[in-house]
Amino acid sequence: EIVLTQSPGTLSLSPGERATLSCRPSQSISGSSLAWYQQKPGQAPRLLIYGASSRATGIPDRFSGSGSGTDFTLSISRLEPEDFAVYYCQQYGSSPETFGQGTKVEIK
Amino acid sequence: EVQLVESGGGLVQPGGSLKLSCAASGFTFSGSSMHWVRQASGKGLEWVGRIRSKPKTYATAYGESVKGRFTISRDDSKNTAYLQMSSLKTEDTGVYYCTGRGNWNEFDYWGQGTLVSVSS
Repeated sequence: EIVLTQSPGTLSLSPGERATLSCRPSQSISGSSLAWYQQKPGQAPRLLIYGASSRATGIPDRFSGSGSGTDFTLSISRLEPEDFAVYYCQQYGSSPETFGQGTKVEIK
Repeated sequence: EVQLVESGGGLVQPGGSLKLSCAASGFTFSGSSMHWVRQASGKGLEWVGRIRSKPKTYATAYGESVKGRFTISRDDSKNTAYLQMSSLKTEDTGVYYCTGRGNWNEFDYWGQGTLVSVSS
């Protein structure tokens, strides 16, 4: 199975700053089949990005995804208070699907 | 409004069985793949498995840790997906979410989850 390694484990930033999150698969992902999710405490995850770079419906344009193969990035251009959460990448190009271990974006 | 409502969680002894249900509304259930994802307390997300739509022959796939013990099914006439769990282990404890996903992952709707506790 494909192992996804997310870094950093925790990102401490202030509102208004830019966040850059990394996701590196153990092998190349076919068809850019990578998604990003946001999860807040006590809530279900929410789809942000699919196909590595396409924003899901209703997701603000400060969220952007990029990358291919074995190197993917989620960027948040200017952090809003509601963006402090845990972010997971997920690959769905190969079975079994797998998630990264998550990156927590916390308020500095 | 899209809704997915999981039910059937609870306390079960190791080695026991449990069947979860996921009732969906507000989107084209029959054309969507249905997935189950779980999360142990304070831990990350783990994909459990999925069942595809009828045009894709209701194909199923499972995570390595549940393969052979869990079975996913669906009833399109009831807009409901199921997760049959057997030979449960303590490490199966967690919140179980069902999700409804588009063919190209263009949407992925999640329920609020149901808690499964495996303990003696």
